Amino acid sequence: NAGVTQTPKFQVLKTGQSMTLQCAQDMNHEYMSWYRQDPGMGLRLIHYSVGAGITDQGEVPNGYNVSRSTTEDFPLRLLSAAPSQTSVYFCASSRKTGNTIYFGEGSWLTVV
Amino acid sequence: AQSVTQLGSHVSVSEGALVLLRCNYSSSVPPYLFWYVQYPNQGLQLLLKYTSAATLVKGINGFEAEFKKSETSFHLTKPSAHMSDAAEYFCAVSDPRGYQKVTFGTGTKLQVIP
Repeated sequence: NAGVTQTPKFQVLKTGQSMTLQCAQDMNHEYMSWYRQDPGMGLRLIHYSVGAGITDQGEVPNGYNVSRSTTEDFPLRLLSAAPSQTSVYFCASSRKTGNTIYFGEGSWLTVV
Repeated sequence: AQSVTQLGSHVSVSEGALVLLRCNYSSSVPPYLFWYVQYPNQGLQLLLKYTSAATLVKGINGFEAEFKKSETSFHLTKPSAHMSDAAEYFCAVSDPRGYQKVTFGTGTKLQVIP
């Protein structure tokens, strides 16, 4: 089973560049979300979606956009990359709250 | 509002010793609680979860956690540490009323000394 698939795994960007982190899940989960992980700060929620066509902001949404056109896909877009966005990004999905959240393997992003 | 506090960003134990990782939560409603483990360069994997059934929850790899409402705690324990337990552990709380947001603690790195 593929579960939650993220691409790319590693990426180096220059300040000001834009890029999209892809996320796909094959479990027919309604809920999907993006987190960033920084040392000593745990995981912080960037954006989340409770279904196709519905997205909302999390704790740290600035500088990121999302869309949810299908149940399976939830891409995260960095509009103009900044060094402060250097982080590890995790996509996650779950059937509903209270259920197990399944995480992707992570995307390591460096902005120089 | 909800929050999680993990006491100790780093914990060291000897192989074979008791593992105790502390987690205290704050929630305005009866919460769901989780422990996740992260091995280096990997995503998070569910160890165990509490969803208002039994207060003592058993998970994978010999870990268990006890929900104590009076202490607002959900500490993770394992009787005997193994070298393979070395990882980072995250406690998390979620609102069971139908919102997808989950709040994670800042993590505890467990070192197992041979």
